[in-house]
Amino acid sequence: QLVLTQSPSASASLGASVKLTCTLSSGHSSYAIAWHQQQPEKGPRYLMKFNSDGSHSKGDGIPDRFSGSSSGAERYLTISSLQSEDEADYYCQTWGTGIHVVFGGGTKLTVL
Amino acid sequence: EVQLLESGGGLVQPGGSLRLSCAASGFTLSSYAMSWVRQAPGKGLEWVSGIRGGGDSTYYAGSVKGRFTISRDNSKNTLYLRMNSLRAEDTAVYYCASHPATGQWLVDYWGQGTLVTVSS
Repeated sequence: QLVLTQSPSASASLGASVKLTCTLSSGHSSYAIAWHQQQPEKGPRYLMKFNSDGSHSKGDGIPDRFSGSSSGAERYLTISSLQSEDEADYYCQTWGTGIHVVFGGGTKLTVL
Repeated sequence: EVQLLESGGGLVQPGGSLRLSCAASGFTLSSYAMSWVRQAPGKGLEWVSGIRGGGDSTYYAGSVKGRFTISRDNSKNTLYLRMNSLRAEDTAVYYCASHPATGQWLVDYWGQGTLVTVSS
C-alpha cells in the first residue's frame, strides 16, 4: 500500500535552516513526490516536485530557499534562511497507478 | 496565469445534496486531469475524486464512491462535484486542484477552497 509518513511537527529558529522528512512506504522508494505548503487560514500552494534521481522542478515563484533531496525511501524539504512566513503546514504528495493522489499527514513547522 | 475559483459550499443537512463548482482560467480545463481534495477541520488533506484529462475517466476515494460525482463542462471551463447523501464526516473545505499535462497526478495548482458544513 502506497503511504507517505511525515513527522507531525518541527521547529527551527528565524534565519536558520530546517529539513522536513517524508518517507515512502516499503516497495515505493523510487516514487517521485511533491511538496505543498499551507500557511494558516490559506489554501495549499505547490512548492516543488522531486524525483528519486534528484531532478526536480519548482512551482511558480518559489524562492531558492526551498530545496529538495532524497535518500532511499526518504524525501526531504530543506528551507534555509527561515522567515516568519515559512511557519505553515507542509504536505508531501505522491501518485501511483490506480492510487492517483496520496498525501502525507503533514508537518506543522513552527518558526521560533 | 492559472486560477481556480471554487464556489457552491454552504450548510446542508445530513442526507442532503450540494454541487460544487470550480471555474478555471489561464488554461483549457478539458486538456488536463483535475481533482477535488478536501480538508476536514483541523485535519490533513484527503483526495476525494479525479477526472482524467482529454477524456471522461473518473476516480473516487472509497469514502465517497457512489455518493459523489465529478464532471466538467468544457464550454464553461468549469469542474463540478455533485455530492449526494451527505454525512457529518463530509464537513470540510473542498479544494479544486489541477494536474500537469504529463499525465502524472501531481497537484501543481490549487484553488482557495469552499467550505461545506453538514449539520442539522
